[in-house]
Amino acid sequence: EVQLVESGGGLVQPGGSLRLSCAASGFSFSNYAMSWVRQPPGKGLEWVSALSGTDGSVYYADSVRGRFTISRDSSKNTLYLQMSSLRAEDTAIYYCAKVWGGYDPLLPFDHWGQGTLVTVSS
Amino acid sequence: DIVMTQSPDSLAVSLGERATINCKSSQSVLYSSNNKNYLAWYQQKPGQPPKLLIYWASTRESGVPDRFSGSGSGTDFTLTISSLQAEDVAVYYCQQYFNTLFTFGPGTKVEIK
Repeated sequence: EVQLVESGGGLVQPGGSLRLSCAASGFSFSNYAMSWVRQPPGKGLEWVSALSGTDGSVYYADSVRGRFTISRDSSKNTLYLQMSSLRAEDTAIYYCAKVWGGYDPLLPFDHWGQGTLVTVSS
Repeated sequence: DIVMTQSPDSLAVSLGERATINCKSSQSVLYSSNNKNYLAWYQQKPGQPPKLLIYWASTRESGVPDRFSGSGSGTDFTLTISSLQAEDVAVYYCQQYFNTLFTFGPGTKVEIK
């Protein structure tokens, strides 16, 4: 059974940093593209970042490019999102998501974690 | 970026009746080399993560009831719930995965009338 468990969320001041983790199990983690998607409280979904399953290509939304870094540690079956220069508008539930089918990021998200809440506030 | 729009914002449907949600993309998400539409539909219930319902615009994900169906091509798509059940109350999102600046529609809230 595929499981994705996010952690690392919390309250952070504007301009601060935070690292989110997503522990994956139940599938061959290193072979799959993965993404982070966020959802501000009471609002819609916004894709944040993706990491391909083979060549390590990374992709970012314009709103986070230059501030967020996606990475994975395949030995730990864990996906990360390093967030810096955080702003109030980064406040959201952050979900990690596995793509359907394999290494190609151009695929839908077939499994999602329960999410971790990041609140950026002074 | 490909902008996704949905209509209506919300709808209330009687139990057993049909619910129809529309999604439009600002440019075609049909990839000519494989004739596939890079369009998915998700269902999100309160307090839960999204759940994949439909991909390639019309392929139902494993385990999804057959009352859910997707149609459309190019820039115009539809999600239909043929006979609304109480457990279908949720927000529904379309998403394009045609390019790596993935974008979601704003969501359509489905309620029971």
